[in-house]
Amino acid sequence: DAGVIQSPRHEVTEMGQEVTLRCKPISGHNSLFWYRQTMMRGLELLIYFNNNVPIDDSGMPEDRFSAKMPNASFSTLKIQPSEPRDSAVYFCASSLGQGISEQYFGPGTRLTVT
Amino acid sequence: AQSVTQPDIHITVSEGASLELRCNYSYGATPYLFWYVQSPGQGLQLLLKYFSGDTLVQGIKGFEAEFKRSQSSFNLRKPSVHWSDAAEYFCAVGAGHAGNMLTFGGGTRLMVKP
Repeated sequence: DAGVIQSPRHEVTEMGQEVTLRCKPISGHNSLFWYRQTMMRGLELLIYFNNNVPIDDSGMPEDRFSAKMPNASFSTLKIQPSEPRDSAVYFCASSLGQGISEQYFGPGTRLTVT
Repeated sequence: AQSVTQPDIHITVSEGASLELRCNYSYGATPYLFWYVQSPGQGLQLLLKYFSGDTLVQGIKGFEAEFKRSQSSFNLRKPSVHWSDAAEYFCAVGAGHAGNMLTFGGGTRLMVKP
């Protein structure tokens, strides 16, 4: 099992540019989560999907952030336009089942916006 | 809404000494509880979980945790710490009414002295 796959692992971009982060969940998992981790705010849930449908996006900071899950094996988190305060590590996680279960995390994408 | 508090931001222990990391949660019903570990530059890895049953749960890498309902706590313990245990540890709680979402504590960074 390859685990949760995220790409790219590192991204450096200039303010105002569009950034797209990608995630491939573990095969068979039906829930997918996007988190952001910073020193100041810790680990924050941005959005989560169940069976490819967004269930809770209350953690998405603002309209510059959007997430999609076109199929069970792929999700994207897009920031447009990016700002320096978006610099963080973004994690994708997936889980199996309808209720509470353990989440499996990807290695993260370190985003730096200059 | 549920919440998690990890009172200790940093802890330093000597190699071979015992370890206890504190976690307190707030939730009205029986929670689903997790401990994760994050090594530098890595994603979060599940150490152990409590859903029901025996309140003392065993996890990977020699860790255990005890659920104490009366104290709303789920402290993580290890009898003898190894230098490789240096990492950040996160406690998380899931609640049935919140779907698949987990709420994470702020984390405790463990440093191990030789």
